[in-house]
This record gives sequence, structure tokens and C-alpha cells, in this order.
Amino acid sequence: DAGVIQSPRHEVTEMGQEVTLRCKPISGHNSLFWYRQTMMRGLELLIYFNNNVPIDDSGMPEDRFSAKMPNASFSTLKIQPSEPRDSAVYFCASSRGSGNTIYFGEGSWLTVV
Amino acid sequence: GDSVTQMEGPVTLSEEAFLTINCTYTATGYPSLFWYVQYPGEGLQLLLKATKADDKGSNKGFEATYRKETTSFHLEKGSVQVSDSAVYFCALSDSSNTGKLIFGQGTTLQVKP
Repeated sequence: DAGVIQSPRHEVTEMGQEVTLRCKPISGHNSLFWYRQTMMRGLELLIYFNNNVPIDDSGMPEDRFSAKMPNASFSTLKIQPSEPRDSAVYFCASSRGSGNTIYFGEGSWLTVV
Repeated sequence: GDSVTQMEGPVTLSEEAFLTINCTYTATGYPSLFWYVQYPGEGLQLLLKATKADDKGSNKGFEATYRKETTSFHLEKGSVQVSDSAVYFCALSDSSNTGKLIFGQGTTLQVKP
């Protein structure tokens, strides 16, 4: 089975530009998570969805960040406008729900210059 | 709130040395506990898990035992290899039973030949 698929793997963009990160969870998984990883703050949960519905977005840093899950097989994380401090690795992960193993994608490595 | 504390790295060992990475947790309930590993340039992979007190998770020569009395889940391996060089994350499933994971800050392991 395919794992969690993220795109792009790497992106370099200029400050002020819009960034869209994409995720395809594992088929059959009904929970989806967006994490951000930085050297300073480690792994932070930004938002998670259950059955396509956002359950907790308290980790979203500010209004520049938004996430959607229009269907069970696709989610996006958007940053508009982007800033250099948004540079990080963004991971998407999915699971079959509470108590089950969470599987991570390979991450989207974002650099904002 | 729930939290995970790992020993600070980096940990540098010679090949075939014994490894211990300490992990303690705080939780209001009975979480499941996990160790994830992140190899350079890759996403996080589940290494092992334990779902209740006294359970021992094991995989690829790594072991960890869920100790409720000491709220710990230390990772051990009897003989490390160069290929074990990676960042190791301890995590727990949060008490609200949402399925999301709370991660420690990660411990970098470097194994030298």
C-alpha cells in the first residue's frame, strides 16, 4: 500500500508569496494531521481532521495559515503570505483513528527567503 | 496538559555499544506510548509502541517497556550499528482520546564505526 504522499518535497519561495502544501492520506484512514518541525520548536501539531472535519486547529500559528480537507483523500495546508520564519519541514500524517498508529509522509521542506 | 520529556542529545556511541534514551511522560489517563525514528532527510517512522502498563514494545533490536510507576518509556538497544544513526522521538497519545500524538523534543543518536 502507498504511504502518506506529500507534495512538493522541497519548495523555495520568496517572502510574501502564497505556499500550498498537499497531502494524500493512506486509503481508509479517517484521521489526518499536519505537523511542523523546526530546530527551535521541534514537532508541533498544527491541525488535525477527523472524517474530513477540522477538530482542533489551536496549533495553527496565525491567520496566515489555513488548512482544508475537501474529501477523504486530499488535504492542503496554505500559507499566505509566507514569511521567512515559516521555513520548516511540514509533515502530513494519517491514522485509522484514536489509538491507532499514525503514519507520516516524507515531509515538505519549505524555505522562505 | 500531557507532555513528554526526552534526554537531551546528541548521543554519540561507538558501534556495538549499549544504547539507552530516556523518556518520561506526564498524562492524565492511560496513554499509549510510542517511539518514532527519523533518518536524515526522511519522515518519521514508527519504531515500536506499547498500549498499556508493563507492555514491552520491540522492533529491530530496540525495546521499551511501559512503566506506569515511574511514568517512563526508555528506549534500549543492546548493540547499536552505524545505520541506527537518526533522531528518535518519544510520543504519547493524548488523554482526550483524539488520536493525536504529543512528541518529545527528539534525541539525536550518532553511531561511529
